Amino acid sequence: DTGVSQDPRHKITKRGQNVTFRCDPISEHNRLYWYRQTLGQGPEFLTYFQNEAQLEKSRLLSDRFSAERPKGSFSTLEIQRTEQGDSAMYLCASSLEGTRDFEQFFGPGTRLTVL
Amino acid sequence: GQQLNQSPQSMFIQEGEDVSMNCTSSSIFNTWLWYKQDPGEGPVLLIALYKAGELTSNGRLTAQFGITRKDSFLNISASIPSDVGIYFCAGQLMTGTASKLTFGTGTRLQVTL
Repeated sequence: DTGVSQDPRHKITKRGQNVTFRCDPISEHNRLYWYRQTLGQGPEFLTYFQNEAQLEKSRLLSDRFSAERPKGSFSTLEIQRTEQGDSAMYLCASSLEGTRDFEQFFGPGTRLTVL
Repeated sequence: GQQLNQSPQSMFIQEGEDVSMNCTSSSIFNTWLWYKQDPGEGPVLLIALYKAGELTSNGRLTAQFGITRKDSFLNISASIPSDVGIYFCAGQLMTGTASKLTFGTGTRLQVTL
């Protein structure tokens, strides 16, 4: 399978715990994005990387959120001291820089439930 | 927050019927894309549009990039049961950061036999 993969697919945690999600993009794609999607809404942009550089962060990304892409391949998204409002689907997408780089391909998502 | 309005919010159609949905914005977009999302899965890219007025097809799907750059339309011909899902429009704002997509609120499609 050469698509975007995410792990885990589901995560249930208690309020106050830290969680970390992983995303593996399509292998030749150098751009990687994180989005958050709540029930009944479209995905909302959180942050994006070009290679290992994090180039933009949304206002939605509070100080409790941190994302990394240390070697320009896979990425991790960590949420510290989770709150119930963090419950959502966290989606990762990747694209290839170039004339069609807006064609972002999404992974299956990680559904987070904070109790 | 969201800047794209999709209509209708939901629709029930019979198998074999054609479907039309649209996406509008008060802002100008450089690029429009249409995605389909099944429950519990990530969005799947259906069609990408790059030029105002562009009409692009992908099988039974046809999408158009509005001349004003503020809207887009998606048509599905001869719907089948596997067309069920939520359809999202997405775009890159002309004044926005490269690569960041803004999504609409979705159109939920249900197909009856």
